[in-house]
Amino acid sequence: GDQVEQSPSALSLHEGTDSALRCNFTTTMRSVQWFRQNSRGSLISLFYLASGTKENGRLKSAFDSKERRYSTLHIRDAQLEDSGTYFCAANYGNEKITFGAGTKLTIKP
Amino acid sequence: DPKIIQKPKYLVAVTGSEKILICEQYLGHNAMYWYRQSAKKPLEFMFSYSYQKLMDNQTASSRFQPQSSKKNHLDLQITALKPDDSATYFCASSQESTPNSDYTFGSGTRLLVI
Repeated sequence: GDQVEQSPSALSLHEGTDSALRCNFTTTMRSVQWFRQNSRGSLISLFYLASGTKENGRLKSAFDSKERRYSTLHIRDAQLEDSGTYFCAANYGNEKITFGAGTKLTIKP
Repeated sequence: DPKIIQKPKYLVAVTGSEKILICEQYLGHNAMYWYRQSAKKPLEFMFSYSYQKLMDNQTASSRFQPQSSKKNHLDLQITALKPDDSATYFCASSQESTPNSDYTFGSGTRLLVI
């Protein structure tokens, strides 16, 4: 079955607002990586986490260190350039990462 | 400078033909991968290679064959192309194939089979 479940599938925000995206895993994961896919289709790595939290500017990500069954991506003060599709991808210990279905984020003025 | 080069960026092919998608990485990584993204599905894992050896294959069809002529190359040969093969194919790499390595993706090859 699906190992990586992303929510919501789509999200529309006004500039300046905050929100959070979530990934749930059906099994314990060793690591998680968050990507943004822009309008040209390029996959840009945002965060890689084996545990804990990381922050970069207005973005912050957390990986549940206890159960290792979910991760979140927080967007603070959303800007137009944050629009895109956000993917989480997780590794449960084999030679690949498995992607979620993505969250399509639209930022409105 | 792009650290993973995929060529070509766009490719139109006729049903039944054969094409090779090129991938080269300049990150000094030891593991390389192919993923596929079609319009109706999320990014799907296809192959993983570590030190030029196949580690995992989740592609049902033998029409897809990776080729690793050098450590930093992992090309993808697709034979007997079908319209359903139309998708964007992404190459990726990581330092090692273990869970404690993050992945870098190329910009993809967008394939259209007519």
